[in-house]
Amino acid sequence: EDQVTQSPEALRLQEGESSSLNCSYTVSGLRGLFWYRQDPGKGPEFLFTLYSAGEEKEKERLKATLTKKESFLHITAPKPEDSATYLCAVQGGSQGNLIFGKGTKLSVKP
Amino acid sequence: GAGVSQTPSNKVTEKGKYVELRCDPISGHTALYWYRQSLGQGPEFLIYFQGTGAADDSGLPNDRFFAVRPEGSVSTLKIQRTERGDSAVYLCASSSPGSSNTGELFFGEGSRLTVL
Repeated sequence: EDQVTQSPEALRLQEGESSSLNCSYTVSGLRGLFWYRQDPGKGPEFLFTLYSAGEEKEKERLKATLTKKESFLHITAPKPEDSATYLCAVQGGSQGNLIFGKGTKLSVKP
Repeated sequence: GAGVSQTPSNKVTEKGKYVELRCDPISGHTALYWYRQSLGQGPEFLIYFQGTGAADDSGLPNDRFFAVRPEGSVSTLKIQRTERGDSAVYLCASSSPGSSNTGELFFGEGSRLTVL
């Protein structure tokens, strides 16, 4: 069964304090691993797609990396506006749908 | 607007009642997804349409749940004989033919369903 596990569940950082979020996955025939950001009361917003081990993507203070078993979302010098829940999802085999993890709730204090 | 539109934004109903939730996807998006999100959880897949047909309905929890997309655009999620456990935010997402393989889904803000 395809599965996505994210850790930690919650992370509190001071502004400027860099850290990483983890996404561990098991999937039959990974077609893609995806990171989304979700603000309270909103739908998830797409950030990145990673297709194969060793791939990296960057956007502003965020960088996503992928290995055969996990992905990391690195946040460099975060700002309060980076506070949100970050969701990881996988798409496997012949599936069209995405399987999401429970997310990591990030709080960045000024 | 240009985004995915979901109505109603909030729905409170009584146990046993029938509910319809509507999703208006981005124009030109052929794929449409329904997810359900409970508090503190990630989105849980329900059903996926490609055009008018349900390509994958394996996430529907039981036969009280049904979804249609008769003209390949607007979709309605229908829940019969609602139960308290159906309370959640129901999210709709759409994707263009080019983005369905990139995982770039465009989500609406959701319909919050509360069953009393």
